[in-house]
This record gives sequence, structure tokens and C-alpha cells, in this order.
Amino acid sequence: QSALTQPASVSGSPGQSITISCTGTSSDVGAYDYVSWYQQHPGKAPKLMIFDVSNRPSGVSNRFSGSKSGNTASLTISGLQAEDEADYYCNSYASSNTYVFGTGTKVTVL
Amino acid sequence: QVQLQESGPGLVKPSETLSLTCTISGGSMTNDHWSWLRQPPGKGLEWIAYIYHNGNTNYNPSLKSRVTISIDTSRNQFSLRLNSVTAADTAVYYCARGAGWYAHWGPGTLVTASS
Repeated sequence: QSALTQPASVSGSPGQSITISCTGTSSDVGAYDYVSWYQQHPGKAPKLMIFDVSNRPSGVSNRFSGSKSGNTASLTISGLQAEDEADYYCNSYASSNTYVFGTGTKVTVL
Repeated sequence: QVQLQESGPGLVKPSETLSLTCTISGGSMTNDHWSWLRQPPGKGLEWIAYIYHNGNTNYNPSLKSRVTISIDTSRNQFSLRLNSVTAADTAVYYCARGAGWYAHWGPGTLVTASS
């Protein structure tokens, strides 16, 4: 069970859109629509941003959206704001009732 | 609003057992999954295990031989035991509500494995 692959860092200017990729295999991301995304600020617990590929929990800004194509899931942040600067992690179901996280992406707002 | 709080020793000696408890307030444990996750300093998240309110469990295959998760719904608590700890088990340990996606998290507790 290997970690899902995310870019180490992504950056953008305020107001821009950025996309974070999360690449797995046909045994996890590609096989199930059970991908979730988390935002984590330093020293804080992660916060759920997207579940089941593209669903937003109540209270999460509609600037955050999720999608999936084949073995790669993506999180897009539109209208980038300073408060979006954080680490982001994807998570996927990986069969036999187990779950695997991505390697994490640091988002920097320039 | 459901709240979770981890508790337990912050320092564990190598080869000994790490024990943590998560206390839930503001809600019931019924009909829900409850999970433990961890994050080594400066590194990514790792799912450890989950337990359903009826006691059904599932474990990360890489930790399964050393981990036990249990639940006490009468006390609104669930617990983690990790045997034979090494320095590699040093991490912030989180409890969370759910399995697969986690809408509610505890603040986390740092456990250091060191003599």
C-alpha cells in the first residue's frame, strides 16, 4: 500500500486558480469514487475540504472543487486567497477496507 | 457539534506500548466509525485503524501486527494501543470521526518514543 503521489509544492498569486494532483493506481484512486481532500495549517488538525471525489461539506467555500480522471484525482482552488496557504492531502479507499493518504502538497500564495 | 479530544502519555520508551484514548462530546458514538491517524513531525498523514460502534475493526496492513483499537460507547471513548514502539512511531496522533473521510478531528497529541 504505497502513498498516493502529490506535487511537493504548488504556488499562485491571489485571485488565480491552482490545481493539485493526486496520482494513485487502478487499485485505489482509479477503482473507487472515495477520494477526499484535507487542508492543514501549521500546528492544526486537518480540515475536510472534499469527500467522495467532488462533494463539499457544509461550510467549505465553493472556491474548492474536486474531480477525478482515471488514476488521478485533482483539487482546484479558484480565486486563491492568502488564507488558502497551507498543506493539502488527498486520501483514497484502497480495497479491503483500507485507506491511503497522498504525500502532501504545500500551497504558497505569492 | 461533535468534539474529540485525545489523551495519554506524551513520552513512551522504545519497546514499550503506546496507549491513547479519544473522548467524544456533543454527540453519540452510535452508527459511526471512529479512527486513529498519525503524522510524524514534518511528514504526511497515515491512517492507523478504525472501529465501528459495534466493535468491528480494520487496520492499516503495515501496522496491523502491533495495533489494537477498542471502543467503550458507555463512556463515549475509543482507544489505541501500539506495541513495541520505536523512534519511527514518534508522531502527532489524531482521533477522528469517520472511516475514509473525516469531518471531525481531535486537536492531536504528540507522542515521542524515546528513552
